[in-house]
Amino acid sequence: AQSVTQLDSHVSVSEGTPVLLRCNYSSSYSPSLFWYVQHPNKGLQLLLKYTSAATLVKGINGFEAEFKKSETSFHLTKPSAHMSDAAEYFCVVSDFGNEKLTFGTGTRLTIIP
Amino acid sequence: EAGVAQSPRYKIIEKRQSVAFWCNPISGHATLYWYQQILGQGPKLLIQFQNNGVVDDSQLPKDRFSAERLKGVDSTLKIQPAKLEDSAVYLCASSLGDYRGPFRGANVLTFGAGSRLTVL
Repeated sequence: AQSVTQLDSHVSVSEGTPVLLRCNYSSSYSPSLFWYVQHPNKGLQLLLKYTSAATLVKGINGFEAEFKKSETSFHLTKPSAHMSDAAEYFCVVSDFGNEKLTFGTGTRLTIIP
Repeated sequence: EAGVAQSPRYKIIEKRQSVAFWCNPISGHATLYWYQQILGQGPKLLIQFQNNGVVDDSQLPKDRFSAERLKGVDSTLKIQPAKLEDSAVYLCASSLGDYRGPFRGANVLTFGAGSRLTVL
């Protein structure tokens, strides 16, 4: 069975400093992994996806994530936080060939001015 | 392209009443999903349609929840009778459902803004 664990429910960083949101996954087969962002009162938006190509994945708004099979991790990073990055972030896993997505519990990112 | 449309955006009902939510996916998207997102939790899949057939409804509380996608386009999710614990945001999403080529298994969903249900 597939699952994801988001290691931090809440992360606070100062504007202009790096962001790290941690995610570990469990999957029986070669997984697809995603990060989605949810701003208040808005729909979920895809940030980036990993699908067994390059292990370092670049997404929108300067975010990127690295797939590490040995550590079963897919952490999300950004070099410099912006106020507009404040939102809820979800790590998502899908087994290869399985259409079902499993969401983590989310990490709320707060940006300190 | 137009996004995933959902209505109503907000609904307040009393327990034991019924409610229906509507979703219109992106044109051409074969797969449609309904997710339930309870406050402070990640979205949970309720039901998945491929065209007008059900692919997965294993987590749908069938004694009170029902969903249909009769013509393979828009969909309706109904709750009858509602319970307090049904208070949540109901998210509709759609995808192309194309699993060929280099992105096999990469199920990229586009979500609507959601319908927030409050049960009193």
